[in-house]
Amino acid sequence: SQQGEEDPQALSIQEGENATMNCSYKTSINNLQWYRQNSGRGLVHLILIRSNEREKHSGRLRVTLDTSKKSSSLLITASRAADTASYFCATDSTTDSWGKLQFGAGTQVVVTP
Amino acid sequence: ETGVTQSPTHLIKTRGQQVTLRCSSQSGHNTVSWYQQALGQGPQFIFQYYREEENGRGNFPPRFSGLQFPNYSSELNVNALELDDSALYLCASSLDRTDEKLFFGSGTQLSVL
Repeated sequence: SQQGEEDPQALSIQEGENATMNCSYKTSINNLQWYRQNSGRGLVHLILIRSNEREKHSGRLRVTLDTSKKSSSLLITASRAADTASYFCATDSTTDSWGKLQFGAGTQVVVTP
Repeated sequence: ETGVTQSPTHLIKTRGQQVTLRCSSQSGHNTVSWYQQALGQGPQFIFQYYREEENGRGNFPPRFSGLQFPNYSSELNVNALELDDSALYLCASSLDRTDEKLFFGSGTQLSVL
């Protein structure tokens, strides 16, 4: 079963617009990560936010975490066609779970030129 | 480029057969995890190997087994293939058990007919 649920399932925007996707999870976590996947290929790590952090930035990415609501959001600013991909949140929920991530079902983002 | 390679990229098998998938991790990465990703879903954790020993397992039956070798290569073996085993199989390596960031290969697409 999936630990996380991403919302929306799919998102279509134009270049230059911002893309926001949300992730909700069920159990307490140590950290939450976001990964990107192009066309059913391997996943690429984007950003990690720890349970004691509320917001983190990396380039055009902004991640927030609300542990009281068990939710996170990923914002991609000034989107580009190359941002077209599926985005997954992933959590680890025990102290000895490194590498044993639980993924959501993903948000499919399409950025049109 | 994550430095993690998987082979083969595509494979077609018949129900009841056995299959071996291979992964080559980044040099120095002593932890490898395997994930199964069904179409339209997020990856599901199969198991993790740390220094050639299994270090945790997800909700997969014993016919899913693995090996990790000292040269940073690893294998996923699946016996008695079932139709539902059709999926993208991803391996992911990390520097150590304490390293939360995973480096994924591009996956092996397995089709069971």
